[in-house]
This record gives sequence, structure tokens and C-alpha cells, in this order.
Amino acid sequence: SQQGEEDPQALSIQEGENATMNCSYKTSINNLQWYRQNSGRGLVHLILIRSNEREKHSGRLRVTLDTSKKSSSLLITASRAADTASYFCATDLSGSGYALNFGKGTSLLVTP
Amino acid sequence: NAGVTQTPKFQVLKTGQSMTLQCAQDMNHEYMSWYRQDPGMGLRLIHYSVGAGITDQGEVPNGYNVSRSTTEDFPLRLLSAAPSQTSVYFCASSRRDSNQPQHFGDGTRLSIL
Repeated sequence: SQQGEEDPQALSIQEGENATMNCSYKTSINNLQWYRQNSGRGLVHLILIRSNEREKHSGRLRVTLDTSKKSSSLLITASRAADTASYFCATDLSGSGYALNFGKGTSLLVTP
Repeated sequence: NAGVTQTPKFQVLKTGQSMTLQCAQDMNHEYMSWYRQDPGMGLRLIHYSVGAGITDQGEVPNGYNVSRSTTEDFPLRLLSAAPSQTSVYFCASSRRDSNQPQHFGDGTRLSIL
């Protein structure tokens, strides 16, 4: 069964605006990861946050994790048209590294 | 560095046919996994391997077989294709250390008629 649920399912913004996507999950995790998928391509890893971390940054990306609420958020600042993609959160329940539970994704459209 | 390579990229099968989806990685990763992605469903784990000679079932293993004779290759076999197996299949690999990201191939788009 799917562990994570992203919200919203779809998001449309203009270039330069910030995009925020949320992920909720059901059980305790070892880490939570965010991936991007461009149309017709495979998933690309964006950022991994461990269960004992609360916030991580990578370039224009900021991820937060609240284990008490079983939720995470991905913020993309100053969005660009090239950020148009689907974004997935994935939880690694045991730290196995080979068995991730993916959500259904948020489809982001950034218009010029 | 090619990363994770999947072949073929597209395939159309008739119900009952069998085929093998190929996956190869050149990063010397110990872990490899197969997922399927259906519209609106995210990715679901089919089978995984933690090393050569070791495989195990994921969430949706029925109708699929895997083997891992080398570190580099992890083929997925459809034994008798069914329309319900129409999907996009992704192979991924990762290092054995915990808290490592997965590296994905570009997928195989499979249609079963």
C-alpha cells in the first residue's frame, strides 16, 4: 500500500513564484526522499532528509520534515519553466535503500 | 557514465506472450529494484535484490520473475503477459549503505493487447 500522499495533486504557478508541495505519510520512517520526474523520463533524486533532521537545503530547494505530524514539505523558490515536472515523495521505512514507498505525486506547471 | 540503462524503451505484447525487460547499471551498486508506474498510482515495488544471487518480492510481484546473476544486471521477466501489466516499468539501483538515494533508468513503456 502507498505510504505517502502528496498535496496538491496539481499546481500551476508563474516563473519567479515559489512552489510548495506537501507530503503526508502513515508510519515511522528512516528517511524521506523527494524525486522529480520530467515527462517521459525516469525519476531524479532531489534531496534526502533523515528522520532526525528537520530541514535541509539544496540550491533553490528547501525540505522540512515534521515526524510528529508525519509530514514533509518541498519548497522550490524562484521557480523556472524548467521546474515543470512531477514531484514525488518517497519514504524508506527501514533505511533499506532498496524498497521505497512512493506517493502519487504533485504535477507542477511553471508558465513563463 | 551511463548510470542505469533499460531496454527496450517501448514494447507491445499480445496477451500470453512472455518477455524480458533488461536493466543494467555501471555504478557497482549492490541494490537493484524494479517498480511499475501506473497513472495516478505512483510507483510500486515489484522485486528487489540486495546483491548477486539474492532476490526478494516487493509489493506487487505476481506475474513477474527476476534473477541477479551479476552485480550489473537485473532482468525482469513477464511469464505470461496480461493487460493488467500494461504499465511503465522502472529499474533503480543504489549503494548498500543506508540513507542512499536510488538512481533510476528512463523506463520501459509496455502495452499488453
